[in-house]
Amino acid sequence: NAGVTQTPKFQVLKTGQSMTLQCAQDMNHEYMSWYRQDPGMGLRLIHYSVGAGITDQGEVPNGYNVSRSTTEDFPLRLLSAAPSQTSVYFCASSYSMTSGRYEQYFGPGTRLTVT
Amino acid sequence: AQSVAQPEDQVNVAEGNPLTVKCTYSVSGNPYLFWYVQYPNRGLQFLLKYITGDNLVKGSYGFEAEFNKSQTSFHLKKPSALVSDSALYFCAVRDMNQAGTALIFGKGTTLSVSS
Repeated sequence: NAGVTQTPKFQVLKTGQSMTLQCAQDMNHEYMSWYRQDPGMGLRLIHYSVGAGITDQGEVPNGYNVSRSTTEDFPLRLLSAAPSQTSVYFCASSYSMTSGRYEQYFGPGTRLTVT
Repeated sequence: AQSVAQPEDQVNVAEGNPLTVKCTYSVSGNPYLFWYVQYPNRGLQFLLKYITGDNLVKGSYGFEAEFNKSQTSFHLKKPSALVSDSALYFCAVRDMNQAGTALIFGKGTTLSVSS
């Protein structure tokens, strides 16, 4: 299994540009999440999904959209990039709560710089 | 409000000595607690979790953690530190306000093990 994969690894955007960060998992996990990591702030939840077709907002959702059309994929869209969105973005997945296995598996991250 | 605190930004320890990385939490109800490690330019790796049962949980790479309900703490420990343990460590608690397994993270503690 490849686990959780993310593309691209690095990206530089100009203010106002849009882009999509890709995330895929091959573990048949029901739950998927997006976090951003900023220095000294830990990781903060952006959006999450409990299954295909179901998404919800996390702590810092403004400026981001998500969709979940398949179990495997959970892309994150930046609608109009701002310098405040400069961060490292992590995708994570896990089994459902009923599995008894609650830990999340993380992708390698995407480092985004907005100028 | 739910939260996780890691009171130390950095912990320094000599190789072979025991190490402790501190974590306290604030949630309503029974907490689901986790420790993750992050090596430079990598994603987060799961170390261990406490869901229920024995207050001392053992995890990967010789790490263990002790759940203390009265002190609302979940400190990470290892009897004998290795230089290769040097990394950024995150404590996290399951976000009870979300439907899935999304986490609330502490700000992280940098562990530095000297030879």
